Formats: sequence, C-alpha cells, structure tokens
Amino acid sequence: KQEVTQIPAALSVPEGENLVLNCSFTDSAIYNLQWFRQDPGKGLTSLLLIQSSQREQTSGRLNASLDKSSGRSTLYIAASQPGDSATYLCAVRGFGNEKLTFGTGTRLTIIP
Amino acid sequence: GAVVSQHPSRVICKSGTSVKIECRSLDFQATTMFWYRQFPKQSLMLMATSNEGSKATYEQGVEKDKFLINHASLTLSTLTVTSAHPEDSSFYICSATIYNEQFFGPGTRLTVL
Repeated sequence: KQEVTQIPAALSVPEGENLVLNCSFTDSAIYNLQWFRQDPGKGLTSLLLIQSSQREQTSGRLNASLDKSSGRSTLYIAASQPGDSATYLCAVRGFGNEKLTFGTGTRLTIIP
Repeated sequence: GAVVSQHPSRVICKSGTSVKIECRSLDFQATTMFWYRQFPKQSLMLMATSNEGSKATYEQGVEKDKFLINHASLTLSTLTVTSAHPEDSSFYICSATIYNEQFFGPGTRLTVL
C-alpha cells in the first residue's frame, strides 16, 4: 500500500528566502506526482504535475523534482512571498487507475 | 487549468436530513470523478470514485448507503449524504482528471446540527 509523507509538517520562513518542501513515497511504481496548494477553507490548486518519466517541472518561481528510485520529490519555491503562505500537498498516482494518494501536507507561513 | 465547480459552497442542516452536493466539470467531460472528505488540519481522504453511467466504487470503510453517488452525465456527479448526523460534518471536495492531471473543486463545508 502506497504511503506518502511530507516533512516538515509546518515551516515558517522570512519573505524573500528560497525554500524546499519534501515529499517521500514508499512505492516507486508511480504513474505521476502532483503538487497542490490549499488555502484555508478552500479546494486544492494544482501547481505542478510530473510524469514518472520526468525529472523535474518548472512553473514561474516553482520547481518540482522527482527521484522515483529513491521515492522522493521536492518542491522548490524561489524568492518566497507572503502570498505563498498555504498548505502544500503532494500526491502520487499509481498505475491502473486515477486514484491519488495524498501526503500529510506542509503548512507554510511566509513572514513579511 | 481545467475548472471544476461545486455547489453549494457551504450548507447547514439538521440531524436526520439529507444533503445533496453537486460537482461539475465546466470546460471538459469527465467519465470519472472523485469524492474526498477532509477533517480540520488533516489531509484528504478518498471516499469513492464516481463513474459515469455505472455504480460508484467506494473505499473501504465508507458506507455506500449513507453516501449516495450519482454520475448521470459526463459533466455532473452528485454526492448525497443521507440521514446526516453531526459526525458527518466535514469538508467535502470533488475532483476530475483531464490529460493525467487532477483538478479539484472549491469544496463544500457541511455542518450538521
């Protein structure tokens, strides 16, 4: 059974700093991995999708990497801004269906 | 990205009543949609997979008679919480996949008094 873990559970950094969020999964046989952000009381916004054959994806100040063999993904946020404050979730999709297994999330606070 | 909507965004009901939540894919067709629930400060828990034109597939431990799912068209899935009780109070979120990427609705906050 796939298990996804995100460390740390919470992170506070001053505005302008670069930061890295971590995601690890136990079964390396994944179809793809998605990173989402969730604002309080809201749904999820898809940030980046990495297919299993890819090593990284970039969108603006965000860069996500994937190391399938070690069961790890990282989300790098450059030049953090207060608007980046949210909970970040990673989720992996296995083969054979579209189900996602979610990590526990990292609550990020950017201090102005 | 693709847009998924939910209605209502929040609902308050009395114990024993039934509540219907709609999930729509606005700019694409979805043969499969997913329903999740989320408790405060916890991650999402998949409840069921909604399949257009056929029965939903429920995750282990989810009561199919309590959480009725209907996926009558390629753009609409509904979740009905029957005979709701306070312990059913939660945040319910739906999602749909297009081009291998899953998109989520804004969620519905259900409060059962």
